[in-house]
Amino acid sequence: EAQVTQNPRYLITVTGKKLTVTCSQNMNHEYMSWYRQDPGLGLRQIYYSMNVEVTDKGDVPEGYKVSRKEKRNFPLILESPSPNQTSLYFCASSRPGNEQFFGPGTRLTVL
Amino acid sequence: EDQVTQSPEALRLQEGESSSLNCSYTVSGLRGLFWYRQDPGKGPEFLFTLYSAGEEKEKERLKATLTKKESFLHITAPKPEDSATYLCAVQANDYKLSFGAGTTVTVRA
Repeated sequence: EAQVTQNPRYLITVTGKKLTVTCSQNMNHEYMSWYRQDPGLGLRQIYYSMNVEVTDKGDVPEGYKVSRKEKRNFPLILESPSPNQTSLYFCASSRPGNEQFFGPGTRLTVL
Repeated sequence: EDQVTQSPEALRLQEGESSSLNCSYTVSGLRGLFWYRQDPGKGPEFLFTLYSAGEEKEKERLKATLTKKESFLHITAPKPEDSATYLCAVQANDYKLSFGAGTTVTVRA
């Protein structure tokens, strides 16, 4: 089954404790992306990647890091999480210029 | 900076009452405009892609249209199962994606 998987689905952590949210796709897509979704603000792109070792900033990259060492994986790293990073996070993948396939989401709470 | 504005924020319809959602955008070179549907607690699901002004796409009770400055999603004779949040997104030439805040549609039986 073609899918995008994210782990964990739910995470509660404390300020400053480094965390990683994993994202994996099995569709051999070149393009992968991370978004955060907050009430009233919609989806905002954090980072995107056109292919292995190629990443670019989206609209809200501050406080986040990404890496693309393999085509199928695109982890999101929060090195020192803060409460304003409490949000619902989505990973997505696609062929460049085509529709995005979204993962199920990760709900992160930073205390 | 690319911008996407959707209106209205919320729309309450009676079953069978047709309506339209608006997505106005400014982008530095449009690669494509996308419409998605999102149900509560789930990731967005793809509906349509539009690439150039004048283009139209249809799927069941939904029809999307595109001009140089805006896109419309028309819902004809909606049913309760059409209740969802509808998201519009534009992709620029650098492949950066910008989403609108969405329109939440509620269809009452």
